[in-house]
Amino acid sequence: SQQGEEDPQALSIQEGENATMNCSYKTSINNLQWYRQNSGRGLVHLILIRSNEREKHSGRLRVTLDTSKKSSSLLITASRAADTASYFCATDPYGNNRLAFGKGNQVVVIP
Amino acid sequence: GAVVSQHPSRVICKSGTSVKIECRSLDFQATTMFWYRQFPKKSLMLMATSNEGSKATYEQGVEKDKFLINHASLTLSTLTVTSAHPEDSSFYICSAQTSGRPDTQYFGPGTRLTVL
Repeated sequence: SQQGEEDPQALSIQEGENATMNCSYKTSINNLQWYRQNSGRGLVHLILIRSNEREKHSGRLRVTLDTSKKSSSLLITASRAADTASYFCATDPYGNNRLAFGKGNQVVVIP
Repeated sequence: GAVVSQHPSRVICKSGTSVKIECRSLDFQATTMFWYRQFPKKSLMLMATSNEGSKATYEQGVEKDKFLINHASLTLSTLTVTSAHPEDSSFYICSAQTSGRPDTQYFGPGTRLTVL
């Protein structure tokens, strides 16, 4: 079964707005990663947050991690049309890089 | 840097035939490669892990005789779908990992397999 599970709702926002996605997982982790997938394409690694970190920033991305709640959030600020994609979180429940991906959250940014 | 390619990008085949998908790391040596499959509007599911020069490790429920994986060099892994059937139609994605950055996987662009 998938260890990381995002909320299944698709998100449609206007360009310039912020987009927030959540992810929950079930096992203890060393780190949690977020990926982006454009339609019919491979995955692009966005950011990795370690279990001893609570928040991490990368450009317009902000990731939080709450290990007590086994949850993470990804915030995209000042969204752009090019941010339209599916976003997945992934954990490494076994500590050997066998990633478990969540269901994904489709974000549509309307120009 | 850290580019992974897959070939072919799309393949259509008849039921019963075998299809080989290649995954190459173009500018780095991949000590480990992973194969995933993804159904429409679904998430990625790990199929197997392959290390160069050794047998692949398959996830539970993945038929190793159905999905043959070979990792003959540090830059190439192949997935062969044997005797393909329509239910094997899916998006197959590989990723590669280098020993220098064990926390990061670099993903290929994926291969769309359609079995008629």
